[in-house]
Amino acid sequence: AQKVTQAQTEISVVEKEDVTLDCVYETRDTTYYLFWYKQPPSGELVFLIRRNSFDEQNEISGRYSWNFQKSTSSFNFTITASQVVDSAVYFCALSAGGTASKLTFGTGTRLQVML
Amino acid sequence: DTGVSQDPRHKITKRGQNVTFRCDPISEHNRLYWYRQTLGQGPEFLTYFQNEAQLEKSRLLSDRFSAERPKGSFSTLEIQRTEQGDSAMYLCASPQGFSGNTIYFGEGSWLTVV
Repeated sequence: AQKVTQAQTEISVVEKEDVTLDCVYETRDTTYYLFWYKQPPSGELVFLIRRNSFDEQNEISGRYSWNFQKSTSSFNFTITASQVVDSAVYFCALSAGGTASKLTFGTGTRLQVML
Repeated sequence: DTGVSQDPRHKITKRGQNVTFRCDPISEHNRLYWYRQTLGQGPEFLTYFQNEAQLEKSRLLSDRFSAERPKGSFSTLEIQRTEQGDSAMYLCASPQGFSGNTIYFGEGSWLTVV
């Protein structure tokens, strides 16, 4: 069975602060994919990144960066110099096993960026 | 705009009524997924289609729920005899490629059962 844990329920930061959202996953499969999604108040799930289990390179995209560590089964997401528009719920998700693209989501972390 | 369309966006219905949601995935994507998201939770898998074949159903999908994908294009999710516990957002996902390089979600259909 697959499991994703996002221990941080809610985080509040002041604009321009850096913030890291934690994600810990569990799977017995050796091939799997990890995702991050952003869900603004409008409700749509916005795809941010996909990582496969064989690629542990960290990735940076603008103010976003991701740290994938298989040794600790973690896939953490950092926003640098946060902005009010980053306020949303962020979900980490895992796809593994026989059904490609079937995602197991964490419970999400609500990020509030204040002026 | 992800290219995945869902209709209606919002639906308020009385307990016991039937409701139907529609999803139009990105054309040429042969797989389509339905998820359900309740308040404060992450989305949960409901069912999955490869073309017109429904290949997997979650235990969450009681016999009051039925999903179809005629001709492998759009899909419908019907809930019969709705209950208050069915209140949730119903999301459709359209993966790109076999291993799901990018999985696009629609904007979701919010259901409120009163």
